[in-house]
Amino acid sequence: GQQLNQSPQSMFIQEGEDVSMNCTSSSIFNTWLWYKQDPGEGPVLLIALYKAGELTSNGRLTAQFGITRKDSFLNISASIPSDVGIYFCAGRYSGAGSYQLTFGKGTKLSVIP
Amino acid sequence: DTEVTQTPKHLVMGMTNKKSLKCEQHMGHRAMYWYKQKAKKPPELMFVYSYEKLSINESVPSRFSPECPNSSLLNLHLHALQPEDSALYLCASSQLPTSVQETQYFGPGTRLLVL
Repeated sequence: GQQLNQSPQSMFIQEGEDVSMNCTSSSIFNTWLWYKQDPGEGPVLLIALYKAGELTSNGRLTAQFGITRKDSFLNISASIPSDVGIYFCAGRYSGAGSYQLTFGKGTKLSVIP
Repeated sequence: DTEVTQTPKHLVMGMTNKKSLKCEQHMGHRAMYWYKQKAKKPPELMFVYSYEKLSINESVPSRFSPECPNSSLLNLHLHALQPEDSALYLCASSQLPTSVQETQYFGPGTRLLVL
């Protein structure tokens, strides 16, 4: 099966700093999705990427679909306390069982005021 | 509107109880999903419904029984659960199950505790 490595596993940053996290896959993906999850809540979609090389922004968030189609990164600029949470990447490939998303293990973000 | 709703928010049940989780979406999505999520782990796929038909069962024990009464509703019937089944149960939906541009939208989840 596909393996998706997400890093870093956790990070502590000062409010106002920029954040970067990434995911790499052993397989080619057609779709990359980035979600944020608060404790006890469901994942909330942040950014969806559908084309290799695509760069998409959502406010202070920017994500890119890697040219090789095996990686993606998410950047958060000028972090604020409400950015705290767990960020998951998820990819979808076009092989058999293409209903399924493969999730990274998550990046836990802590913001120090 | 990208809202998926789930009820109840929290559920405590004994190992002999029968309960049901409910999920609803009104986005016209034709694929609906159940996931199980343990603490500090990513969601794990349990079931996929495509056009109201069960298309994927990820080797889930029979004590979990999904049902899709119509294109907007998805239920998960629970019976004789074990304490290790305690988790956050997430429902998700997407427009078309085999669309290249598939985006899954998640509900807020049901926090289940089995005693």
